[in-house]
Amino acid sequence: GQNIDQPTEMTATEGAIVQINCTYQTSGFNGLFWYQQHAGEAPTFLSYNVLDGLEEKGRFSSFLSRSKGYSYLLLKELQMKDSASYLCAVRPRGGSTLGRLYFGRGTQLTVWP
Amino acid sequence: EAGVVQSPRYKIIEKKQPVAFWCNPISGHNTLYWYRQNLGQGPELLIRYENEEAVDDSQLPKDRFSAERLKGVDSTLKIQPAELGDSAVYLCASSLKGTSGINEQFFGPGTRLTVL
Repeated sequence: GQNIDQPTEMTATEGAIVQINCTYQTSGFNGLFWYQQHAGEAPTFLSYNVLDGLEEKGRFSSFLSRSKGYSYLLLKELQMKDSASYLCAVRPRGGSTLGRLYFGRGTQLTVWP
Repeated sequence: EAGVVQSPRYKIIEKKQPVAFWCNPISGHNTLYWYRQNLGQGPELLIRYENEEAVDDSQLPKDRFSAERLKGVDSTLKIQPAELGDSAVYLCASSLKGTSGINEQFFGPGTRLTVL
């Protein structure tokens, strides 16, 4: 089975840096994704990691350690519009679940002025 | 380029009634997904299609849920009869092909179902 854990809620102030952690246990591993979801809207893709290390994309970076089953999403220079739910998702390798994404419950980030 | 289109956006029905959701994926995307998202939870896959073939439907409650993707483009998800616990947002997503690489999934806006 798959087990994905991330904090339920986080708060931060505008201009600050926030790190959202995600730990996972999966039968085989074939990539980890981060999605952003504003209230009442569809999830949108933020980042993808399949090898260990840091992937940077503008204000957002994502890190992966496969040996530790751990990832984080780093958001810099926070803006009010970054208030949203951040979903960690894991894609297992092989078998009947090939291609499936397993999502965590999401971390609701609130950015205060 | 148009994104994933879903309709209706909202649906309110009484329990035991049937309901259907429609999805039009991004042009050229072979893989189509139906997810259910309960309040405060992440999306959970119900069924995945590669073209017109359902390749992963192990999470679909087949006693009341059915889906089809005729001609490998549009898809319909049906619930009959609906139960109170089916109240959720039903998300459709599409991607080029489902198994490797970034293969980003693009989500539609979802249908929010309320069963009374």
